[in-house]
Amino acid sequence: AQSVTQLDSQVPVFEEAPVELRCNYSSSVSVYLFWYVQYPNQGLQLLLKYLSGSTLVKGINGFEAEFNKSQTSFHLRKPSVHISDTAEYFCAVSEIYTAGNQFYFGTGTSLTVIP
Amino acid sequence: DTGVSQDPRHKITKRGQNVTFRCDPISEHNRLYWYRQTLGQGPEFLTYFQNEAQLEKSRLLSDRFSAERPKGSFSTLEIQRTEQGDSAMYLCASSLAGGAPGTGELFFGEGSRLTVL
Repeated sequence: AQSVTQLDSQVPVFEEAPVELRCNYSSSVSVYLFWYVQYPNQGLQLLLKYLSGSTLVKGINGFEAEFNKSQTSFHLRKPSVHISDTAEYFCAVSEIYTAGNQFYFGTGTSLTVIP
Repeated sequence: DTGVSQDPRHKITKRGQNVTFRCDPISEHNRLYWYRQTLGQGPEFLTYFQNEAQLEKSRLLSDRFSAERPKGSFSTLEIQRTEQGDSAMYLCASSLAGGAPGTGELFFGEGSRLTVL
């Protein structure tokens, strides 16, 4: 089974500052990679995903992430955060060559944007 | 498209009681997932349906847990003889078939929070 590590459980950042949320995964097989966001009292929603191709993936709300196979990482970045970005962010992976449909989630990073 | 809906949103029960949660996925989605999320953790996979067939079950799904999706539409998750350790948020998600396994976007409901006293 995959293991997804989000080392930063809480990230406070000032409004308009850049932010990076880190995600690393264990890798014995190739994976697809995802970032989900959960706003208070809402369900998780997809920010972006990497399936193949360019390692730099752009998502909604100005977020982007870069897949680094050698580092087994998929860090999420935004150059300038807004108050509305305050939420819980989850990294997730699924295995490419298995028949299953399991998505493995990290423990989440709580992003707090300070005015 | 009304999204994925879950009912009830919050359930408080006494240890030993049975509880049932319902999930209505997005209508054209034939894949349905149940996840469990405890405080400070990410969602943990419980089980997966493609149409009415339950294709995968996690080891987390003990014999007290049962899930059904009788007509390939809504799904229920029943927990029998609840224990305090079952207290968690139970999340349902659905996705559209058509891509390779594991590539599709999951659409999550808002979850059903279970508190076992």
